[in-house]
Amino acid sequence: GAVVSQHPSWVICKSGTSVKIECRSLDFQATTMFWYRQFPKQSLMLMATSNEGSKATYEQGVEKDKFLINHASLTLSTLTVTSAHPEDSSFYICSARDGRERVIQYFGAGTRLSVL
Amino acid sequence: AQTVTQSQPEMSVQEAETVTLSCTYDTSESDYYLFWYKQPPSRQMILVIRQEAYKQQNATENRFSVNFQKAAKSFSLKISDSQLGDAAMYFCAYRSYHNTNAGKSTFGDGTTLTVKP
Repeated sequence: GAVVSQHPSWVICKSGTSVKIECRSLDFQATTMFWYRQFPKQSLMLMATSNEGSKATYEQGVEKDKFLINHASLTLSTLTVTSAHPEDSSFYICSARDGRERVIQYFGAGTRLSVL
Repeated sequence: AQTVTQSQPEMSVQEAETVTLSCTYDTSESDYYLFWYKQPPSRQMILVIRQEAYKQQNATENRFSVNFQKAAKSFSLKISDSQLGDAAMYFCAYRSYHNTNAGKSTFGDGTTLTVKP
């Protein structure tokens, strides 16, 4: 099946710094990418949806200036957590949809962010 | 807005036995997709099975099958011959058929499945 690579898998940073998480579709063109946040033993919370070449659509309550999403190409989307604080510590998951395949979302392995 | 409810936060099953995970959803749409995802301890989300609402036949993938009751808005997952590797958190998800929703999926809160040897 299709592969979505997410990097890094784990990052520790100091409060106030910015962190960038990359999400790549390795063998397909991802016309749409999704970014989720997941707290321990909880469900996935959709943060934003991005389409290649256009601005991301953020879900209600998600600060777009804090969580910058860039979907610059059909194979790469990035999430930058700006001025990270301990409350931003979480598990972030990206997902991509193949432009040729209507139904299936492919998920990255996730990034664990720890803000000290 | 659509909602997905998984009423069983935790379930356990003996190895080689069968277990059924429940999922109900609420929607006013007639065309949609339903999914079951598995999230093992590695936290990599894996698609287990999917169902198109217009299909009356229940989807089956090897040991995994669903009982899709459209009128009741119910979508349960049956795991037969449970294996230790089936231990994971399982999420039920709904997705609208129409592009206006940009393909967003709504996830349930998950069911943690424990498989006892």
